[in-house]
Amino acid sequence: GIQVEQSPPDLILQEGANSTLRCNFSDSVNNLQWFHQNPWGQLINLFYIPSGTKQNGRLSATTVATERYSLLYISSSQTTDSGVYFCALPTGGFKTIFGAGTRLFVKA
Amino acid sequence: DTAVSQTPKYLVTQMGNDKSIKCEQNLGHDTMYWYKQDSKKFLKIMFSYNNKELIINETVPNRFSPKSPDKAHLNLHINSLELGDSAVYFCASSQRQPLRDEQFFGPGTRLTVL
Repeated sequence: GIQVEQSPPDLILQEGANSTLRCNFSDSVNNLQWFHQNPWGQLINLFYIPSGTKQNGRLSATTVATERYSLLYISSSQTTDSGVYFCALPTGGFKTIFGAGTRLFVKA
Repeated sequence: DTAVSQTPKYLVTQMGNDKSIKCEQNLGHDTMYWYKQDSKKFLKIMFSYNNKELIINETVPNRFSPKSPDKAHLNLHINSLELGDSAVYFCASSQRQPLRDEQFFGPGTRLTVL
């Protein structure tokens, strides 16, 4: 089945810094999602991005499907950005594979 | 206005008991899911239902029995609870017609088995 790898596994930032999170996948995909799990456990949809680039405020994401990776950019990080960031790939067979996540801590 | 809701939010129970978690979505989606998140935050799919029909059962013990009375509801019943069942259980939904699969998650149910 599809393998999904996220890097880095852990990331500590000073407030105001920028960061790039990466998601590599082993097979071609039609869909890809990025989620943020906040410290209260809520899973928040960030992007639905099977290809191309999207931006939402300080966050943007790029997926290069032909090269099997997606990047999530966080600019001017804030303490509220802390949590776990997941990429997830629906396989088309009613099954979605999640990466192991990147744990982000933003220090004030 | 909650899109995907779950009850209860917290569940603390003794080993051997039976418990249920309920999920409802008001997004008009045709597919619903149960996921389990372990203590290391790893999310793994348990079941997928499409138009009330079970599609995916990811080698989950048969102590876990999902039930979908209609497309908007997917409940999870767990028999003879074990310590290893302690986790956060998430319900999700998506619309697969047209094929898009953007998933929306409920707030989760934290199950603690003592």
